[in-house]
Amino acid sequence: GNSVTQMEGPVTLSEEAFLTINCTYTATGYPSLFWYVQYPGEGLQLLLKATKADDKGSNKGFEATYRKETTSFHLEKGSVQVSDSAVYFCALPAGAGNMLTFGGGTRLMVKP
Amino acid sequence: DAGVIQSPRHEVTEMGQEVTLRCKPISGHDYLFWYRQTMMRGLELLIYFNNNVPIDDSGMPEDRFSAKMPNASFSTLKIQPSEPRDSAVYFCASSLARLRTGGGEQFFGPGTRLTVL
Repeated sequence: GNSVTQMEGPVTLSEEAFLTINCTYTATGYPSLFWYVQYPGEGLQLLLKATKADDKGSNKGFEATYRKETTSFHLEKGSVQVSDSAVYFCALPAGAGNMLTFGGGTRLMVKP
Repeated sequence: DAGVIQSPRHEVTEMGQEVTLRCKPISGHDYLFWYRQTMMRGLELLIYFNNNVPIDDSGMPEDRFSAKMPNASFSTLKIQPSEPRDSAVYFCASSLARLRTGGGEQFFGPGTRLTVL
């Protein structure tokens, strides 16, 4: 079945630093790909998505490009802020129904 | 829309007591999911429903756990009897059928933090 692997954290950066969180996937066909973010004490919320190969999803300064050649969907941001401190999850459909398979999550800590 | 609503937000109970968690999905959504999140095990899918019918409950850890969805706007997750190892954050999520959106993204509630003493 479909699966996703993302880099382990925590990732600690200074404010305004460049962020990359790696995500690679294994899937049948070309499913949609997602990044979710979980802020402290809250539920997961969709950050961005890409529905087909070569699509770029973007939101709140974050970007991720669906690359079928490398089966990757890396999350990037040019200049992180303290408010970006959260846990980030890469996800894709699990096959049956509307299930999603989530990566293990990457905790990002941004210091002022 | 108010999003997915869960109650209570926090629950503290003693071992052996019955616990009921509640969820109201986003109106019109076809699917409802229950997850559990702990530091040790991460995010785990417990059960999901399609059009109020349970489809896959293979993630339910034990017979002590049960879930129902009596109508399209309400679901419960019950633990009876509760144990300390059930302490976790429980999330409910809902989604539209993938065929209708092309994506299948899920919308999560704020979670219920359960502590079993």
